[in-house]
Amino acid sequence: ELKVEQNPLFLSMQEGKNYTIYCNYSTTSDRLYWYRQDPGKSLESLFVLLSNGAVKQEGRLMASLDTKARLSTLHITAAVHDLSATYFCAVVYLRVADKLIFGTGTRLQVFP
Amino acid sequence: DGGITQSPKYLFRKEGQNVTLSCEQNLNHDAMYWYRQDPGQGLRLIYYSQIVNDFQKGDIAEGYSVSREKKESFPLTVTSAQKNPTAFYLCASSTPGQGERRGYTFGSGTRLTVV
Repeated sequence: ELKVEQNPLFLSMQEGKNYTIYCNYSTTSDRLYWYRQDPGKSLESLFVLLSNGAVKQEGRLMASLDTKARLSTLHITAAVHDLSATYFCAVVYLRVADKLIFGTGTRLQVFP
Repeated sequence: DGGITQSPKYLFRKEGQNVTLSCEQNLNHDAMYWYRQDPGQGLRLIYYSQIVNDFQKGDIAEGYSVSREKKESFPLTVTSAQKNPTAFYLCASSTPGQGERRGYTFGSGTRLTVV
C-alpha cells in the first residue's frame, strides 16, 4: 500500500527566509503533484512532476523529484505572507486507476 | 469556462439520515473521485470512477455509496451507516493526458455537519 508522508506538519517562518518541505512516498510511482489549499477552500494545483530529476519553479516556489529516493521537495525562497496556506503532495498509486494518494499536508504560516 | 461544481456548499445532516452530495463536471473528463478531509488532515479517497457505470472503493468507502450514470455526474450519498460524517468533501476529475499536464481538477467542496 502506498503511504505518503510530509514533514514538517507545521511550519512557521519569518518573511524573507528560505525553507524546504519534504514529501516521502513508499512505493514506485511515476507522477507526483503539489497542491495548495487556503483555509476552507478547495485545492489549487501548483506543480506536476513526472520524471526523476524533474524541477519546476513558479515564483518563490520550486519543486523537485527524486524517484530513486522516493522524495520530493518544495522549496520556498524569501517567503512572503501570501504564501501562508497548507501544502499537500500527492502521488499516483496505480497508473491504470490513476488513484491519487495525499500526504498529511504542511501548514505554512509566514509572519512579518 | 469548464470546471467542477459541487453542491450544496454547506449541508447539515440529522442522525440516521441519508444525504447526497452533488458533483458535476463539464470538462469531459473520464475519471471522477471523491475525497474526505478532516480538520488538520490530508485527503482520503472514498470512491473513484474511471468510466460511466463503473466505480471502485477507495480507502474509506464504508458508509458511503456512489453512482456514475452519466459521464458528467458522480453523486456521493452519505448513509446512516457512516457514524462520523462531519467533514469537508471534495470531488475531483481527471482524464488521461490532462492529469499529467496539470494535475487533477477539484471542486470547491461541500462541508457536511451532523446536527
